[in-house]
Amino acid sequence: GAGVSQTPSNKVTEKGKYVELRCDPISGHTALYWYRQSLGQGPEFLIYFQGTGAADDSGLPNDRFFAVRPEGSVSTLKIQRTERGDSAVYLCASSLDLDAPSYNEQFFGPGTRLTVL
Amino acid sequence: AQKVTQAQTEISVVEKEDVTLDCVYETRDTTYYLFWYKQPPSGELVFLIRRNSFDEQNEISGRYSWNFQKSTSSFNFTITASQVVDSAVYFCALSDRYGGATNKLIFGTGTLLAVQP
Repeated sequence: GAGVSQTPSNKVTEKGKYVELRCDPISGHTALYWYRQSLGQGPEFLIYFQGTGAADDSGLPNDRFFAVRPEGSVSTLKIQRTERGDSAVYLCASSLDLDAPSYNEQFFGPGTRLTVL
Repeated sequence: AQKVTQAQTEISVVEKEDVTLDCVYETRDTTYYLFWYKQPPSGELVFLIRRNSFDEQNEISGRYSWNFQKSTSSFNFTITASQVVDSAVYFCALSDRYGGATNKLIFGTGTLLAVQP
Protein backbone atom coordinates (compact mmCIF):
# COMPACT_ATOMS: atom_id res chain seq x y z
CA GLY A 1 0.00 0.00 0.00
CA ALA A 2 0.95 3.66 -0.15
CA GLY A 3 3.51 4.92 2.28
CA VAL A 4 3.80 8.30 3.96
CA SER A 5 3.89 11.09 1.43
CA GLN A 6 5.09 14.65 1.88
CA THR A 7 4.67 17.68 -0.30
CA PRO A 8 6.42 19.62 -1.61
CA SER A 9 9.63 17.63 -1.89
CA ASN A 10 11.58 20.88 -2.04
CA LYS A 11 10.68 24.36 -0.91
CA VAL A 12 12.79 27.45 -1.36
CA THR A 13 11.64 30.61 0.35
CA GLU A 14 12.96 33.96 1.44
CA LYS A 15 13.68 34.98 4.98
CA GLY A 16 10.58 36.29 6.67
CA LYS A 17 8.10 34.38 4.52
CA TYR A 18 5.47 31.89 5.68
CA VAL A 19 5.58 28.25 4.57
CA GLU A 20 3.37 25.21 4.89
CA LEU A 21 4.58 21.64 4.64
CA ARG A 22 2.13 18.80 4.15
CA CYS A 23 2.17 15.20 5.33
CA ASP A 24 -0.16 12.40 4.23
CA PRO A 25 0.20 9.49 6.63
CA ILE A 26 -0.44 5.85 5.91
CA SER A 27 -4.16 5.19 5.86
CA GLY A 28 -5.41 4.07 9.25
CA HIS A 29 -2.42 5.37 11.18
CA THR A 30 -3.66 7.49 14.08
CA ALA A 31 -0.26 8.62 15.31
CA LEU A 32 1.71 11.21 13.34
CA TYR A 33 5.13 12.70 14.05
CA TRP A 34 7.14 15.58 12.66
CA TYR A 35 10.93 15.59 12.85
CA ARG A 36 13.53 18.04 11.58
CA GLN A 37 16.87 16.94 10.20
CA SER A 38 19.60 19.53 9.83
CA LEU A 39 22.59 18.86 7.63
CA GLY A 40 24.88 16.25 9.11
CA GLN A 41 22.57 15.56 12.03
CA GLY A 42 20.04 12.96 13.02
CA PRO A 43 16.33 13.76 12.94
CA GLU A 44 15.02 15.73 15.93
CA PHE A 45 11.49 15.37 17.24
CA LEU A 46 9.17 18.33 16.80
CA ILE A 47 5.59 17.30 17.51
CA TYR A 48 3.35 14.28 17.89
CA PHE A 49 -0.35 13.96 17.04
CA GLN A 50 -2.71 11.38 18.38
CA GLY A 51 -5.73 11.73 16.14
CA THR A 52 -6.55 15.40 15.74
CA GLY A 53 -4.82 16.65 18.85
CA ALA A 54 -1.19 17.55 19.42
CA ALA A 55 -0.32 15.25 22.31
CA ASP A 56 3.27 16.43 22.58
CA ASP A 57 4.66 19.60 21.02
CA SER A 58 7.71 19.82 23.26
CA GLY A 59 10.10 19.70 20.32
CA LEU A 60 8.81 22.78 18.52
CA PRO A 61 11.71 25.26 18.71
CA ASN A 62 9.62 28.42 19.17
CA ASP A 63 6.22 29.93 18.54
CA ARG A 64 6.93 30.49 14.87
CA PHE A 65 6.31 26.78 14.39
CA PHE A 66 2.81 25.35 14.46
CA ALA A 67 1.18 22.18 13.19
CA VAL A 68 -2.37 21.03 12.68
CA ARG A 69 -4.17 17.83 11.86
CA PRO A 70 -7.82 18.90 11.68
CA GLU A 71 -9.36 15.62 10.52
CA GLY A 72 -6.92 13.20 12.07
CA SER A 73 -5.27 12.31 8.80
CA VAL A 74 -3.31 14.90 6.80
CA SER A 75 -1.10 17.21 8.83
CA THR A 76 0.37 20.58 7.97
CA LEU A 77 3.48 22.04 9.57
CA LYS A 78 3.41 25.81 9.42
CA ILE A 79 6.41 28.09 9.87
CA GLN A 80 5.98 31.83 10.19
CA ARG A 81 8.61 34.48 9.57
CA THR A 82 11.10 31.90 8.36
CA GLU A 83 14.75 32.30 9.26
CA ARG A 84 17.85 30.90 7.57
CA GLY A 85 18.32 28.58 10.53
CA ASP A 86 15.03 26.89 9.67
CA SER A 87 16.65 25.37 6.60
CA ALA A 88 16.52 21.60 7.02
CA VAL A 89 14.72 18.49 5.87
CA TYR A 90 11.37 18.11 7.59
CA LEU A 91 10.36 14.49 8.02
CA CYS A 92 6.96 13.12 8.79
CA ALA A 93 6.26 9.66 10.22
CA SER A 94 3.10 7.79 11.06
CA SER A 95 2.24 4.71 13.05
CA LEU A 96 -0.63 2.68 14.37
CA ASP A 97 -1.45 3.37 17.96
CA LEU A 98 -1.98 0.03 19.52
CA ASP A 99 -2.19 -0.45 23.25
CA ALA A 100 0.93 -1.17 25.20
CA PRO A 101 3.07 -3.23 25.37
CA SER A 102 3.22 -3.29 21.59
CA TYR A 103 5.61 -0.83 20.12
CA ASN A 104 4.15 0.95 17.17
CA GLU A 105 6.54 1.19 14.25
CA GLN A 106 7.09 4.62 12.75
CA PHE A 107 7.13 4.76 8.97
CA PHE A 108 8.87 7.79 7.53
CA GLY A 109 8.08 9.85 4.48
CA PRO A 110 10.70 11.13 2.02
CA GLY A 111 10.83 14.54 3.66
CA THR A 112 10.53 18.14 2.50
CA ARG A 113 13.79 19.98 1.99
CA LEU A 114 13.27 23.58 3.11
CA THR A 115 15.77 26.21 2.09
CA VAL A 116 15.44 29.72 3.48
CA LEU A 117 17.47 32.26 1.56
CA ALA B 1 18.75 12.04 30.08
CA GLN B 2 18.18 10.34 26.78
CA LYS B 3 21.11 10.32 24.44
CA VAL B 4 22.44 8.29 21.54
CA THR B 5 26.08 8.53 20.54
CA GLN B 6 27.49 7.36 17.25
CA ALA B 7 31.15 8.19 17.54
CA GLN B 8 32.03 7.15 13.99
CA THR B 9 31.21 10.01 11.67
CA GLU B 10 32.37 8.33 8.48
CA ILE B 11 33.62 4.88 7.58
CA SER B 12 35.03 3.83 4.24
CA VAL B 13 35.50 0.18 3.32
CA VAL B 14 36.14 -1.83 0.23
CA GLU B 15 33.44 -4.12 -1.06
CA LYS B 16 33.27 -7.52 0.69
CA GLU B 17 34.85 -6.21 3.86
CA ASP B 18 32.97 -6.56 7.14
CA VAL B 19 32.13 -3.34 8.95
CA THR B 20 30.74 -2.58 12.42
CA LEU B 21 28.84 0.58 13.25
CA ASP B 22 28.92 1.55 16.91
CA CYS B 23 26.04 2.90 18.98
CA VAL B 24 26.08 3.85 22.66
CA TYR B 25 22.94 5.04 24.41
CA GLU B 26 21.94 6.65 27.69
CA THR B 27 18.60 6.34 29.42
CA ARG B 28 17.31 6.28 32.97
CA ASP B 29 14.52 3.94 32.02
CA THR B 30 14.54 0.17 32.37
CA THR B 31 12.08 -0.23 29.53
CA TYR B 32 13.23 1.13 26.23
CA TYR B 33 13.59 0.33 22.55
CA LEU B 34 16.58 0.64 20.28
CA PHE B 35 16.51 0.99 16.52
CA TRP B 36 18.68 1.17 13.48
CA TYR B 37 17.60 3.09 10.39
CA LYS B 38 19.28 3.39 7.01
CA GLN B 39 19.15 6.64 5.05
CA PRO B 40 20.34 6.16 1.46
CA PRO B 41 21.15 9.14 -0.76
CA SER B 42 17.47 9.35 -1.71
CA GLY B 43 16.85 10.58 1.84
CA GLU B 44 14.07 8.30 3.03
CA LEU B 45 14.65 6.61 6.39
CA VAL B 46 14.41 2.84 6.12
CA PHE B 47 13.72 0.82 9.25
CA LEU B 48 16.19 -2.02 9.83
CA ILE B 49 15.61 -3.36 13.31
CA ARG B 50 13.93 -2.77 16.65
CA ARG B 51 15.10 -4.30 19.89
CA ASN B 52 13.46 -3.96 23.31
CA SER B 53 15.47 -3.69 26.50
CA PHE B 54 14.38 -7.07 27.78
CA ASP B 55 15.71 -8.97 24.81
CA GLU B 56 19.48 -9.12 24.71
CA GLN B 57 19.66 -11.85 22.14
CA ASN B 58 21.77 -10.95 19.18
CA GLU B 59 20.02 -10.98 15.87
CA ILE B 60 21.10 -11.88 12.37
CA SER B 61 19.25 -11.02 9.20
CA GLY B 62 21.13 -12.00 6.07
CA ARG B 63 24.34 -9.98 5.98
CA TYR B 64 23.20 -7.82 8.88
CA SER B 65 23.72 -8.60 12.55
CA TRP B 66 23.18 -6.67 15.74
CA ASN B 67 24.90 -6.99 19.09
CA PHE B 68 22.97 -5.60 22.07
CA GLN B 69 24.87 -5.36 25.36
CA LYS B 70 23.07 -3.70 28.26
CA SER B 71 26.19 -3.89 30.42
CA THR B 72 27.93 -1.42 28.13
CA SER B 73 24.78 0.35 26.86
CA SER B 74 25.72 -0.52 23.32
CA PHE B 75 23.79 -1.68 20.30
CA ASN B 76 26.27 -2.26 17.50
CA PHE B 77 25.47 -3.13 13.90
CA THR B 78 27.65 -5.30 11.69
CA ILE B 79 27.41 -5.67 7.94
CA THR B 80 29.15 -8.77 6.64
CA ALA B 81 30.61 -8.82 3.12
CA SER B 82 29.64 -5.23 2.46
CA GLN B 83 28.28 -4.18 -0.92
CA VAL B 84 28.19 -0.86 -2.73
CA VAL B 85 24.42 -0.73 -2.17
CA ASP B 86 25.09 -0.60 1.58
CA SER B 87 26.48 2.91 1.15
CA ALA B 88 24.25 5.20 3.20
CA VAL B 89 23.99 7.05 6.48
CA TYR B 90 23.01 4.75 9.32
CA PHE B 91 21.20 6.05 12.39
CA CYS B 92 20.82 4.46 15.78
CA ALA B 93 17.79 5.62 17.79
CA LEU B 94 16.26 5.23 21.24
CA SER B 95 12.71 5.41 22.55
CA ASP B 96 11.83 5.12 26.23
CA ARG B 97 9.03 5.91 28.64
CA TYR B 98 10.61 9.24 29.53
CA GLY B 99 9.57 10.25 26.07
CA GLY B 100 6.06 9.98 27.38
CA ALA B 101 3.33 8.22 25.50
CA THR B 102 4.67 9.60 22.26
CA ASN B 103 7.23 6.91 21.50
CA LYS B 104 9.29 9.70 19.99
CA LEU B 105 12.65 8.64 18.68
CA ILE B 106 15.94 10.08 19.88
CA PHE B 107 18.47 9.73 17.08
CA GLY B 108 22.23 9.69 17.04
CA THR B 109 24.14 11.87 14.60
CA GLY B 110 24.57 9.02 12.15
CA THR B 111 27.49 7.20 10.55
CA LEU B 112 28.16 7.69 6.85
CA LEU B 113 29.23 4.37 5.35
CA ALA B 114 30.94 4.44 1.98
CA VAL B 115 31.54 1.08 0.34
CA GLN B 116 34.02 1.32 -2.50
CA PRO B 117 33.89 -1.17 -5.37
